[in-house]
Amino acid sequence: DTAVSQTPKYLVTQMGNDKSIKCEQNLGHDTMYWYKQDSKKFLKIMFSYNNKELIINETVPNRFSPKSPDKAHLNLHINSLELGDSAVYFCASSQAGTDYEQYFGPGTRLTVT
Amino acid sequence: GDSVTQMEGPVTLSEEAFLTINCTYTATGYPSLFWYVQYPGEGLQLLLKATKADDKGSNKGFEATYRKETTSFHLEKGSVQVSDSAVYFCALSDRGYQKVTFGTGTKLQVIP
Repeated sequence: DTAVSQTPKYLVTQMGNDKSIKCEQNLGHDTMYWYKQDSKKFLKIMFSYNNKELIINETVPNRFSPKSPDKAHLNLHINSLELGDSAVYFCASSQAGTDYEQYFGPGTRLTVT
Repeated sequence: GDSVTQMEGPVTLSEEAFLTINCTYTATGYPSLFWYVQYPGEGLQLLLKATKADDKGSNKGFEATYRKETTSFHLEKGSVQVSDSAVYFCALSDRGYQKVTFGTGTKLQVIP
């Protein structure tokens, strides 16, 4: 059973388009995250939700909008895609009140042309 | 704020060599410390962790000891294999901030 899954695995699109990435976890965790990893492997946190409530919102353009319909799902919608948005996006989950050990999904490689 | 500093890579070693990847941290509270590994084309996965001073985390032959006095959590392995080639991330979590802070990652390449 996959613990944290993301769809799609690859996403190729043109500048100006709108796209979404979906994430689901079956670990029973109450906290989920979105990270962006650039070509140099640098990992940057974007958002975090705890029980559907936004708790971390780092400096991210307003074109990025997360949505959490329930605590097992966290989706990322990106409007007006730009070349600089090309990266690998990782979803992760953890349990609040613990040491926040992160469980990562396999990643979505977004390429904007 | 919290931060993690780890040695820059890439690190290239011959098979069976000794590995050390340095990691130091700054934190306002009493953090838990982690090493994550990312194999090519995959997501990060936990390699080992330590939650209090002098704890040693270990897994798959890798070890790291939580040193509060030097604010360090260096990763070591006595004999690396080609299959250990990956990117290694040092990280800390601070319950007050409800998030994990990652280092910049160190790429390890092991050659036969």
